[in-house]
Amino acid sequence: QKEVEQDPGPLSVPEGAIVSLNCTYSNSAFQYFMWYRQYSRKGPELLMYTYSSGNKEDGRFTAQVDKSSKYISLFIRDSQPSDSATYLCAMTTTGGNQFYFGTGTSLTVIP
Amino acid sequence: KAGVTQTPRYLIKTRGQQVTLSCSPISGHRSVSWYQQTPGQGLQFLFEYFSETQRNKGNFPGRFSGRQFSNSRSEMNVSTLELGDSALYLCASDPSGTSGKETQYFGPGTRLLVL
Repeated sequence: QKEVEQDPGPLSVPEGAIVSLNCTYSNSAFQYFMWYRQYSRKGPELLMYTYSSGNKEDGRFTAQVDKSSKYISLFIRDSQPSDSATYLCAMTTTGGNQFYFGTGTSLTVIP
Repeated sequence: KAGVTQTPRYLIKTRGQQVTLSCSPISGHRSVSWYQQTPGQGLQFLFEYFSETQRNKGNFPGRFSGRQFSNSRSEMNVSTLELGDSALYLCASDPSGTSGKETQYFGPGTRLLVL
C-alpha cells in the first residue's frame, strides 16, 4: 500500500465550478499537509499547507485535513481556466524525515 | 527575489554514463532537497542537505548522491545511469531552517533522458 493515495483523474469541469481534490494516507505520524500546483513543464508551486487537522482558506482555495479519517481535501471555488494544472498533495512528519507526494490529479477547467 | 534555479534544463545521456545536476536555492535558504518525478511513481524524495550535511535520505540506491556547498548551492550526481533514471529531477529550497518541508519552493527541474 502506498503511503499517499491520490486519484489521478483526469478531472474536467466547466469554468465557475467548485472543484474537490482529495488524498488519503496511511501513516498517522504525518502532521504537515501541503497542496502544490504544477503546470506542464514547470516545477510544483506551493499553494498552501496545513498543520494537523482543520481548515485553512486562502482566496478561492480551501484545504481541509481530517486526521481521524486520514483524508485531506483541496477545494477550489469559482474555478478558472488558469487553474488547469496537476494538483499534488504532500505530507510529512514533524521532523521531516518522511516526506511523500501523491501522484497528482490532472485538472482541466473548460471556458 | 530570484527563485530556485536548476541547470541544465535538459540532458540526454546513454546508459552507463554519469551525470551531475546543479541547483541554486533562493537567497537565504539553507536547506535543499532533491526529488525524482516520473509518470509512474510521481514525485519521490531523494535527499535533503542543510549546512553542507545530508540531513534526510529517501529510498534510492547509492548511485544517487549529492552534496552542498558553503553558499548553499547543491549538486546531485547519478552514476552508472540506467534507462529507468529518465525523469524530471526537481530541486527545492526551504527557508524554515527546520527539517519540516511545509514551505519549500521548487525549481523548474532538469529533464534527464537516458538512452
